[in-house]
Amino acid sequence: AQKVTQAQTEISVVEKEDVTLDCVYETRDTTYYLFWYKQPPSGELVFLIRRNSFDEQNEISGRYSWNFQKSTSSFNFTITASQVVDSAVYFCALGEIQGAQKLVFGQGTRLTINP
Amino acid sequence: ETGVTQTPRHLVMGMTNKKSLKCEQHLGHNAMYWYKQSAKKPLELMFVYNFKEQTENNSVPSRFSPECPNSSHLFLHLHTLQPEDSALYLCASSQAPRLAASRGNEQYFGPGTRLTVT
Repeated sequence: AQKVTQAQTEISVVEKEDVTLDCVYETRDTTYYLFWYKQPPSGELVFLIRRNSFDEQNEISGRYSWNFQKSTSSFNFTITASQVVDSAVYFCALGEIQGAQKLVFGQGTRLTINP
Repeated sequence: ETGVTQTPRHLVMGMTNKKSLKCEQHLGHNAMYWYKQSAKKPLELMFVYNFKEQTENNSVPSRFSPECPNSSHLFLHLHTLQPEDSALYLCASSQAPRLAASRGNEQYFGPGTRLTVT
């Protein structure tokens, strides 16, 4: 069965600190997608990134970076120089490449950036 | 309007009421989804539609009845709900599977409807 674990329920840091959100997944599929979503207080999930399982290159987008390690089944997300606007709940998700494209979400990590 | 919109944003209903949630996507997608997000559970997929056809029903009770008249609109009809059905109901859309390989399959979400059943 597919499973996503975000062990950190809540993280609180002071603005400008770097913070890493952990994501560990389980799947028997040989190919799959991994995603990160951000859910601000408004409720809407905002798509951040999609990774294919066959592409292990790390990715950087501004202050955001993602570290995908297939050997440890992890897809961690780092925010550099955090800002108050980064405060949100962040979800990691695992998705099928074929079929109904069901997403399995982790429990989410509530990130609070304090000024 | 852009992206995925949902109405109403908030809904309070009694256990004997009938109401409907509406979702509309303006992204040219062909797959639409309903999710339930409650306080102490991860996001739960409820239904999936591809090209207006239901392709997934994740063991959802019959008091939730989805309807997809076209690829841009999705409804969730509610009747005789229970207090434990109170949650945030999120709609999402994406490319359908046969298009995803070339166009990507990330799902785009609406703002959700906060439902309270009294």
